[in-house]
Amino acid sequence: DTGVSQDPRHKITKRGQNVTFRCDPISEHNRLYWYRQTLGQGPEFLTYFQNEAQLEKSRLLSDRFSAERPKGSFSTLEIQRTEQGDSAMYLCASSLELHLVGGEDEQYFGPGTRLTVT
Amino acid sequence: GQQVMQIPQYQHVQEGEDFTTYCNSSTTLSNIQWYKQRPGGHPVFLIQLVKSGEVKKQKRLTFQFGEAKKNSSLHITATQTTDVGTYFCAGVEAAGNKLTFGGGTRVLVKP
Repeated sequence: DTGVSQDPRHKITKRGQNVTFRCDPISEHNRLYWYRQTLGQGPEFLTYFQNEAQLEKSRLLSDRFSAERPKGSFSTLEIQRTEQGDSAMYLCASSLELHLVGGEDEQYFGPGTRLTVT
Repeated sequence: GQQVMQIPQYQHVQEGEDFTTYCNSSTTLSNIQWYKQRPGGHPVFLIQLVKSGEVKKQKRLTFQFGEAKKNSSLHITATQTTDVGTYFCAGVEAAGNKLTFGGGTRVLVKP
């Protein structure tokens, strides 16, 4: 499978615990994005990387959230001291910089990690 | 910050009928993208519109980008049961940057 993969697919945790999610983008894609989606809503941007550099982080993202992409390949998203309001689907997407392909700037989404905080 | 609104939120369509969903951005966009998400699935790219007034067609789907590059529409003709899902528009302020999604239009098709 050459698509975007995410691990785990489901995570149930107790309030106050830390969780970490992993995303493996399509191998040649240099851009990686994290989004959060709650039921009945559109995905909400969290942060994005170009290669290993984190270029933008949503102002909605509290200090409890941190993301890394150390070698410009896979990425991790960590949530510290989880709260019930963190329960959501966390989506990862990747894309290839537009001028490198000369085509459309589409993002390819992974299946997501569904987080439930009890 | 940028906001993207979509209407209607829900669309119940009789199989074979046409419908249109509309998308409006609070800011001028570099481009707009449309995604479809099936129940239980993840967003899947449909199309990107870049030029002012651009119209693109994919079989029964027609996408339009407004002249001011702040609004867009998706028109589906002769709706089929395979069209069931949520259609999201997503605005991009700077090329290659983050997507700001609308709330989506949830489409249910009555056979």
